[in-house]
Amino acid sequence: DAMVIQNPRYQVTQFGKPVTLSCSQTLNHNVMYWYQQKSSQAPKLLFHYYDKDFNNEADTPDNFQSRRPNTSFCFLDIRSPGLGDAAMYLCATSRDRAGQIYEQYFGPGTRLTVT
Amino acid sequence: AQSVTQPDIHITVSEGASLELRCNYSYGATPYLFWYVQSPGQGLQLLLKYFSGDTLVQGIKGFEAEFKRSQSSFNLRKPSVHWSDAAEYFCAVANNNDMRFGAGTRLTVKP
Repeated sequence: DAMVIQNPRYQVTQFGKPVTLSCSQTLNHNVMYWYQQKSSQAPKLLFHYYDKDFNNEADTPDNFQSRRPNTSFCFLDIRSPGLGDAAMYLCATSRDRAGQIYEQYFGPGTRLTVT
Repeated sequence: AQSVTQPDIHITVSEGASLELRCNYSYGATPYLFWYVQSPGQGLQLLLKYFSGDTLVQGIKGFEAEFKRSQSSFNLRKPSVHWSDAAEYFCAVANNNDMRFGAGTRLTVKP
């Protein structure tokens, strides 16, 4: 089945220790998104890739970076995690065609704990 | 910029009872509207979407939603709730690649 996969599902890192979260997709969608979701809150968009074009949200901290080496994979790098970065991180994908809007498909998320 | 309001943080219904979750949006142009469901510790699953056309849209798991432009609403309904429907429900509005979510409504189902 075509899907969005996130690894690992659970990640524990130490305060200040860089961490990378992974997302892959078999949907061949050209747009990929990263969201941060804290407990009992709505997902908050961090950034998205339209093909290779990176689009950062204005309020996304510099501590968060992303890489998309090819269509299928996208990574979220947190350079120096703080306690406030503990959250669920959701990856999503969508098709895109000029003038069209499509729904987003979400992965199961990675729960990040910072100790 | 578009925004979404879900007035109810938490709703409890009895199994077999009907359900309506409220969603109001703010957007200047024709909205693209979605309802997603999230079970604990999981990602979001699309229930249904409205882009244009018939204002009553059918989704998965027996859910439906009605778009009312005059009220800027897109309420989600289900005639008979099952215990497995207990989850968090998010309404969202999209513009290009920018999707904005409401704060969510947590649904509890009583036996």
